[in-house]
Amino acid sequence: QKEVEQNSGPLSVPEGAIASLNCTYSDRVSQSFFWYRQYSGKSPELIMSIYSNGDKEDGRFTAQLNKASQYVSLLIRDSQPSDSATYLCAVNGPGDKIIFGKGTRLHILP
Amino acid sequence: DTGVSQDPRHKITKRGQNVTFRCDPISEHNRLYWYRQTLGQGPEFLTYFQNEAQLEKSRLLSDRFSAERPKGSFSTLEIQRTEQGDSAMYLCASSLGGVLSSYNEQFFGPGTRLTVL
Repeated sequence: QKEVEQNSGPLSVPEGAIASLNCTYSDRVSQSFFWYRQYSGKSPELIMSIYSNGDKEDGRFTAQLNKASQYVSLLIRDSQPSDSATYLCAVNGPGDKIIFGKGTRLHILP
Repeated sequence: DTGVSQDPRHKITKRGQNVTFRCDPISEHNRLYWYRQTLGQGPEFLTYFQNEAQLEKSRLLSDRFSAERPKGSFSTLEIQRTEQGDSAMYLCASSLGGVLSSYNEQFFGPGTRLTVL
């Protein structure tokens, strides 16, 4: 079983709509969860961190965490063409390593 | 700008040559991580340091790879006898960790893209 799983996409969303990105993880003791945005040819950029069950909002982004279901999601409201990128889910794993999923490619349709 | 920096940004080398990459972390961060990323994959953990101590090294990392962080500031990653399979983006990230922070938010540098011919 893979440690962090994401749908690879591409996920196509019309401009102005809500993009919903999902991630599951296998290690029940994980305490820190992250979403990174990565543009093609660039390095990952941290956009959201979440540590407690529930929702965390930052501008157009909302991260959701459900530890019982081992599930993390990212919602992007009012999607813009500049949001087109690969979104990496990451989980703090054993020994404080960050374990990354393969990423979901998001394409915002103008 | 006080973000993570990496040098060089690009490296082209011939198979069998040695290469060395440098990473300068955010100055107040005590942890420094090295990752490797290939096309279509997420970053893959290689090794990490807390201050000058190397706390963990991936079991996938061959003994051709070595990393140092001699004074707890910048770090170097050396690959000896490079192979074509080493071609990848090598990413460095830094964070506050251990007793300084339980959250371990990692911030990445721009990466070094290695091409082995």
